[in-house]
Amino acid sequence: NAGVTQTPKFRILKIGQSMTLQCAQDMNHNYMYWYRQDPGMGLKLIYYSVGAGITDKGEVPNGYNVSRSTTEDFPLRLELAAPSQTSVYFCASSPQQRIAPQHFGDGTRLSIL
Amino acid sequence: AQRVTQPEKLLSVFKGAPVELKCNYSYSGSPELFWYVQYSRQRLQLLLRHISRESIKGFTADLNKGETSFHLKKPFAQEEDSAMYYCALVSNTGNQFYFGTGTSLTVIP
Repeated sequence: NAGVTQTPKFRILKIGQSMTLQCAQDMNHNYMYWYRQDPGMGLKLIYYSVGAGITDKGEVPNGYNVSRSTTEDFPLRLELAAPSQTSVYFCASSPQQRIAPQHFGDGTRLSIL
Repeated sequence: AQRVTQPEKLLSVFKGAPVELKCNYSYSGSPELFWYVQYSRQRLQLLLRHISRESIKGFTADLNKGETSFHLKKPFAQEEDSAMYYCALVSNTGNQFYFGTGTSLTVIP
């Protein structure tokens, strides 16, 4: 019963470094999402995907890239880390789109120093 | 523009008392509304969606289009209800999803 698995759980980056946040789901869900949550704020959608090979921007996509080569995996890439990207990142999935994200990962806490 | 507003960051009630977590939204068209819950040390999980008109763990939420509200209610709060609650909205195109800032509920024994 893995559900949605995110790695790593914690990471500290220096300004300008790059990294990839991994997300995998084992439920054969078509829809996957990446959110960020800043302190005291709600979740904001970064990117989402409706299936392998298809991705689209959410509310706050700048500074991020995604890919969806398989149904299971939806990695989030930060190319040039900036302090404004310090946040907690959540990956989520759902079997359908308008039914809303149903399964969330544990989150990745990322600090950019 | 703030799509989903949860006016209370913190809410405390006594066990057995009624609880209402407020949620107001701003969106034209016909959005769909949801409530999510995050218990301590657990993952965020979907609690309710308005289209289902269901009651989960004693909680209900009615969509009031006139007042643009989707308040979460429970007649008798339990200690295990203590958690963080998020109201959320999905656009009528289905490709934009907005969360509120959350309300931390504490049920006092």
